[in-house]
Amino acid sequence: GEDVEQSLFLSVREGDSSVINCTYTDSSSTYLYWYKQEPGAGLQLLTYIFSNMDMKQDQRLTVLLNKKDKHLSLRIADTQTGDSAIYFCAETEDKLIFGAGTRLAVHP
Amino acid sequence: DAGVIQSPRHEVTEMGQEVTLRCKPISGHDYLFWYRQTMMRGLELLIYFNNNVPIDDSGMPEDRFSAKMPNASFSTLKIQPSEPRDSAVYFCASSSSQGYGYTFGSGTRLTVV
Repeated sequence: GEDVEQSLFLSVREGDSSVINCTYTDSSSTYLYWYKQEPGAGLQLLTYIFSNMDMKQDQRLTVLLNKKDKHLSLRIADTQTGDSAIYFCAETEDKLIFGAGTRLAVHP
Repeated sequence: DAGVIQSPRHEVTEMGQEVTLRCKPISGHDYLFWYRQTMMRGLELLIYFNNNVPIDDSGMPEDRFSAKMPNASFSTLKIQPSEPRDSAVYFCASSSSQGYGYTFGSGTRLTVV
């Protein structure tokens, strides 16, 4: 069945790059997504990548997709304290299946 | 557009009472999803609708849970009777078959005591 796995916690220093990793199982997923959730808020779509792409860059965000290994990563350049949140990877065919989320903590 | 609107934001109720959560999707979106988020189980898809018709309710935990979408601009999730283990944040999301990604509401935090 469908499954998405992420590491649960990442701590980085302000100004460094953050890399959040995700593995998924459904090779038929058309899109793969990254969502951000701040405390007390809903999920906000950060970025997505189409399954026939290897990389997508959007300002400080870079998404890398390795379809062979079913591995997705999100790189945040110049990480700021405002980036502290939970980041969810999600795959989809007819419905979004989320990972457990990676809590990113940014410290000075 | 005001986005996906959920009400109430917070609900505290006693065990055994009926709870109704409400959602207004983004105008023009033809899919609507109900998710539940807990620390233990993460984000779980409960049910989703396409053009107001329930497509997959396999995530609904048990018969105490029911969801309706009487029209394109309104959906409800009802729990009757409620139990303490139903305490969670319930999110509604909508999407368009012509677009990508889901837009989430701010959620309803339900506490059953």
